[in-house]
Amino acid sequence: KAGVTQTPRYLIKTRGQQVTLSCSPISGHRSVSWYQQTPGQGLQFLFEYFSETQRNKGNFPGRFSGRQFSNSRSEMNVSTLELGDSALYLCASSLGTGAANYGYTFGSGTRLTVV
Amino acid sequence: QKEVEQDPGPLSVPEGAIVSLNCTYSNSAFQYFMWYRQYSRKDPELLMYTYSSGNKEDGRFTAQVDKSSKYISLFIRDSQPSDSATYLCAMSGPWGAQKLVFGQGTRLTINP
Repeated sequence: KAGVTQTPRYLIKTRGQQVTLSCSPISGHRSVSWYQQTPGQGLQFLFEYFSETQRNKGNFPGRFSGRQFSNSRSEMNVSTLELGDSALYLCASSLGTGAANYGYTFGSGTRLTVV
Repeated sequence: QKEVEQDPGPLSVPEGAIVSLNCTYSNSAFQYFMWYRQYSRKDPELLMYTYSSGNKEDGRFTAQVDKSSKYISLFIRDSQPSDSATYLCAMSGPWGAQKLVFGQGTRLTINP
């Protein structure tokens, strides 16, 4: 059974650029959540998508956005990149919304470096 | 003040020792408590999952939740070098919560 697939694995961008990250959940999973992991702040919730709808959003600026497609694949977009956006972006897959209670299956993440 | 506090370590212990990892939290609405293990440059994987107060044991791992003190613990018995990783506590609110709140993670090294 394929796991959660995130692409690309590594990305280097310059300040001011935008970036799009992709996440394919486990087959049959309809919920995708995104987290940002940094050494100083740990894992912080960005947003959750279920059935192509954003169900919850964390405390991040509007430069961070996302969407989910009908096949449950999700993309996250960050516009006007700042140095502080350098982080590991993790996608988590689960069967249904509110499934934070179940625990997630995480992907391997996309490591974004902004220079 | 962060909702979940966890000592980032690093924590270094000899092989075979009992390891105690802890988190405190401030939000009394948290009801579901988890421990994730993250090896270096790998994704976090769910290790233990508990609901409300009490203990849960799985092999060498025991998770404890004390809701009255807002304190959770993970104990590792007979620690092995393969247990060396970062351990993250995570918690969420009532059923239907749509996000986990994570601790910062404790980096643990087990020395042979």
